[in-house]
Amino acid sequence: ETGVTQTPRHLVMGMTNKKSLKCEQHLGHNAMYWYKQSAKKPLELMFVYNFKEQTENNSVPSRFSPECPNSSHLFLHLHTLQPEDSALYLCASSPGTGGRDTQYFGPGTRLTVL
Amino acid sequence: GENVEQHPSTLSVQEGDSAVIKCTYSDSASNYFPWYKQELGKGPQLIIDIRSNVGEKKDQRIAVTLNKTAKHFSLHITETQPEDSAVYFCAASIRNFVFGPGTRLSVLP
Repeated sequence: ETGVTQTPRHLVMGMTNKKSLKCEQHLGHNAMYWYKQSAKKPLELMFVYNFKEQTENNSVPSRFSPECPNSSHLFLHLHTLQPEDSALYLCASSPGTGGRDTQYFGPGTRLTVL
Repeated sequence: GENVEQHPSTLSVQEGDSAVIKCTYSDSASNYFPWYKQELGKGPQLIIDIRSNVGEKKDQRIAVTLNKTAKHFSLHITETQPEDSAVYFCAASIRNFVFGPGTRLSVLP
């Protein structure tokens, strides 16, 4: 595994629940990312944070709410999700942003929305 | 915006044979091209990358070639082993990574 951890690894929630995904990186990186990985679709970038500031929101519905309290931690708060939101949610980090730095991924959280 | 295509979607090879996966990209400004391997239940792991000022890069059994004129790049795995079985993703990057849809490689013993 890389130096990026994610909890929980698996999550089942109802459409009215509120839950949070957590990501922590131990690599000393300044940028963190959330991606969504659905079956038979390419990885979709959701959010980018650089030095705790959100620099990219890829037209993500407001039922997904990210939070980055510091450069090592990233959260994804979930509320009123739909069944089509079921997917693997991946967190990644990189030394900086700008697209030229290697991104290191965590193992992901497998989310099922009932 | 950038669009990345990847072929084939599935690939089966005999152990010891070579495997080649090809990606094409649309934006000539893309300047960084990583390849990731994803095993079942794990996140993608970087296996090799190449930047736009380089035409080829090799790391033991893995190599990547880049043709900027044609806007395509390829992953070459030689002497394949069963543990190479996984899904492989290419990506092209200007500001953010745009990933291909993936190739499921199966190495048959």
